[in-house]
Amino acid sequence: EPEVTQTPSHQVTQMGQEVILRCVPISNHLYFYWYRQILGQKVEFLVSFYNNEISEKSEIFDDQFSVERPDGSNFTLKIRSTKLEDSAMYFCASRPASGRIYEQYFGPGTRLTVT
Amino acid sequence: DQQVKQNSPSLSVQEGRISILNCDYTNSMFDYFLWYKKYPAEGPTFLISISSIKDKNEDGRFTVFLNKSAKHLSLHIVPSQPGDSAVYFCAASESNFGNEKLTFGTGTRLTIIP
Repeated sequence: EPEVTQTPSHQVTQMGQEVILRCVPISNHLYFYWYRQILGQKVEFLVSFYNNEISEKSEIFDDQFSVERPDGSNFTLKIRSTKLEDSAMYFCASRPASGRIYEQYFGPGTRLTVT
Repeated sequence: DQQVKQNSPSLSVQEGRISILNCDYTNSMFDYFLWYKKYPAEGPTFLISISSIKDKNEDGRFTVFLNKSAKHLSLHIVPSQPGDSAVYFCAASESNFGNEKLTFGTGTRLTIIP
């Protein structure tokens, strides 16, 4: 069964460094998302992406964050200058063009630890 | 700003009995509700959903009930099985065009006791 994959599974970085989290959505999906979950808290929406542009973003997704679909298969989340409070599990999700929002398929997540 | 609330962080149920997980919401614009299940080291997996035009949706052992006037929904699992042990997230959305965001609750950890 097709699945969303994410790399790396765990990323440790120093405060102020740039990180890129990578996702490979399911191949025929056209809508892509990033969510995050700070330890012990709820899963929070960050951004949605369709047709090579951001379709919606939350207040968390400030100028330090960017997303890109560089090559037609990968979908990346970049954090330019990481802060301690960026430590969280980051989930990528995707869905097909015709699916309702419930058809968001989530990857296993990347745990980002900022020290 | 907790628009979706799951007030029970954990729940333990005997195998074979009914598990009832609850969720409350405050945003009256929400019109589509979902339950996701999450195992450790995995992403959330879609379980069942319900539109606000319905008050019940059933899929096998899983049934979701929606009480719009109370802004409350619940997930019933019967009979509960050991493999149901996981964290369950309630999520909601305004299903208008262009709104892709799911708003999640904080989750309830369900433990099924053999």
